[in-house]
Amino acid sequence: EIVLTQSPATLSLSPGESATLSCRASQNVTRFLAWYQQKPAQAPRLLIYDASNRATGIPARFNGSGSETDFTLTISNLEPEDFAVYYCQLRNDWPVTWTFGQGTKVEIK
Amino acid sequence: QVHLVQSGAEVKKPGASVTVSCKASRYTFTDSYIHWVRQAPGQGLEWVGRINPDSGGTYYGQKFQGRVTMTSDTSITAYMELRGLRSDDTAVYYCATQPQNGDHLDDWGQGTLVTISS
Repeated sequence: EIVLTQSPATLSLSPGESATLSCRASQNVTRFLAWYQQKPAQAPRLLIYDASNRATGIPARFNGSGSETDFTLTISNLEPEDFAVYYCQLRNDWPVTWTFGQGTKVEIK
Repeated sequence: QVHLVQSGAEVKKPGASVTVSCKASRYTFTDSYIHWVRQAPGQGLEWVGRINPDSGGTYYGQKFQGRVTMTSDTSITAYMELRGLRSDDTAVYYCATQPQNGDHLDDWGQGTLVTISS
């Protein structure tokens, strides 16, 4: 089963700066990676699917990239509402399971 | 997009069972699979399992095998039953939909807090 490791655990930035979040898979990924945003006391929200496709209604400042074992979520020009926890996720082929990374918290510096 | 509404908070004793429901309020689950994901207090997201509402076919996370059962009645409401509850099952349980043409979870319920306490 593939393990997803996210880094850093916490990112301290100011509004207007850019955030680069990493998600590394323990082996080459044959399935597509997704990214989610979660704010306190809210359900997660899909941001990116298939590594680089923005979900409906997601602003263009959110960009996903990567392949094989290394994936990146970039948030340009951070807005106050972007400070949250971000998770990557993929499906394992065998056993068939879904895996989440442990999350990266983007906090206000 | 499917809007998912989950049942209310539950408090259970250790060893008991809990059933959480997830209802599609605007559309049906047609062309979607239903996942259950949980989040313990202050922790990350943990995948519990998935059901195909059309066939009833399921996949469960290894740590939940033998303790969880996911069902669905037609394409409106999905259920997750977790048995043999322990204190570390205390968590918010979310349902979410997966489109048949993708591996991501595109719509989420509001979450149901399940508290295990003696």
